[in-house]
Amino acid sequence: EPEVTQTPSHQVTQMGQEVILRCVPISNHLYFYWYRQILGQKVEFLVSFYNNEISEKSEIFDDQFSVERPDGSNFTLKIRSTKLEDSAMYFCASGREGYRGSGETQYFGPGTRLLVL
Amino acid sequence: DQQVKQNSPSLSVQEGRISILNCDYTNSMFDYFLWYKKYPAEGPTFLISISSIKDKNEDGRFTVFLNKSAKHLSLHIVPSQPGDSAVYFCAASPNTGNQFYFGTGTSLTVIP
Repeated sequence: EPEVTQTPSHQVTQMGQEVILRCVPISNHLYFYWYRQILGQKVEFLVSFYNNEISEKSEIFDDQFSVERPDGSNFTLKIRSTKLEDSAMYFCASGREGYRGSGETQYFGPGTRLLVL
Repeated sequence: DQQVKQNSPSLSVQEGRISILNCDYTNSMFDYFLWYKKYPAEGPTFLISISSIKDKNEDGRFTVFLNKSAKHLSLHIVPSQPGDSAVYFCAASPNTGNQFYFGTGTSLTVIP
């Protein structure tokens, strides 16, 4: 069964450093998402991406964040200058369709746990 | 800004009994609701959904009930099985977009 994969599974970085989190969505999916979950808190939407551009983003997704689909298979989240409060689990998700007719529209990856020291 | 709330962080149920997980929301623009299950070290997995035009949706052992006037939904699992032990997230989507707003999750433990 196809699945969303994410690398690395864990990343430790120093405050102020740039990190790139990588995701390989399911191959025939067209919609891509990033979410994060700070330890003990809710899963929060960051951004959605369709047709090579951002379609929605939350207040969390400020100028420090960017997304890219560089090669037609990977979907990356870059944090330019990490802060302590960026420490969280970051989930990538992908979906076949953008409409909300079915909860199957978003399949989640296993997550990357980012720790900023 | 807690638009979706799951007020019970944990729940323990005996195997074979019913598990009831609750979720409340505040945004009247939400019109699509989902439940996700999450095991440790894995991403959330879709479980069941309901549109605001319905008040009940059933899929095997899982039933979701929606009370729009109370802005409340619940997930019923019957009979509960030990493999159901996981964190359950309620999520909601407004009619203006595709993003989901998640609750903080309820950790369900089904005791054999």
